[in-house]
Amino acid sequence: DADVTQTPRNRITKTGKRIMLECSQTKGHDRMYWYRQDPGLGLRLIYYSFDVKDINKGEISDGYSVSRQAQAKFSLSLESAIPNQTALYFCATSDSSQGPSYEQYFGPGTRLTVT
Amino acid sequence: AQSVAQPEDQVNVAEGNPLTVKCTYSVSGNPYLFWYVQYPNRGLQFLLKYITGDNLVKGSYGFEAEFNKSQTSFHLKKPSALVSDSALYFCAVRRSGAGSYQLTFGKGTKLSVIP
Repeated sequence: DADVTQTPRNRITKTGKRIMLECSQTKGHDRMYWYRQDPGLGLRLIYYSFDVKDINKGEISDGYSVSRQAQAKFSLSLESAIPNQTALYFCATSDSSQGPSYEQYFGPGTRLTVT
Repeated sequence: AQSVAQPEDQVNVAEGNPLTVKCTYSVSGNPYLFWYVQYPNRGLQFLLKYITGDNLVKGSYGFEAEFNKSQTSFHLKKPSALVSDSALYFCAVRRSGAGSYQLTFGKGTKLSVIP
């Protein structure tokens, strides 16, 4: 979905390096999410943010941190990358004004490889 | 806790035949149920959702899904498969009601439509 963009799209990094993945959206949504996708495991939630001042841990937040710089921007950081963080990372957004049945809209993903 | 099971890792179907991708769920209370599709090198795209009411939900690209409360299932269906339907399909569930944010995904089912 072009309304949700992620940079970079692909990244190879070494163990121990700090890396930041960025997400921007033009949908005007207030809620943003970071997921990782591993083959055979589906998507798992890392962090979510309901507005700029409201950031929460998901089910697998260890080793990750996030920053919500503006309503439209949500960054994911790996402070010291390790090989088992090799995965496909997705940013998603949703609009709380849709009510509790809202769906989420996903970016194209960032493929991260930690060697 | 809530969970989603997609019992088939892969489904193969001949072009023009009907297709079914299975999903069962577990959630306390009433569910909101979603289907997403992921094409190669793309993010997840929303297909359809069940909120309440009619058990047969129609969505994008000719897909539909049938909600069965007694069997806790939400199977995705299409009357006539196209080669372009080949992709990875994810079922997801969220507990209904205000304050519920966690969207839990299944592990995904790879659909291959054979010409």
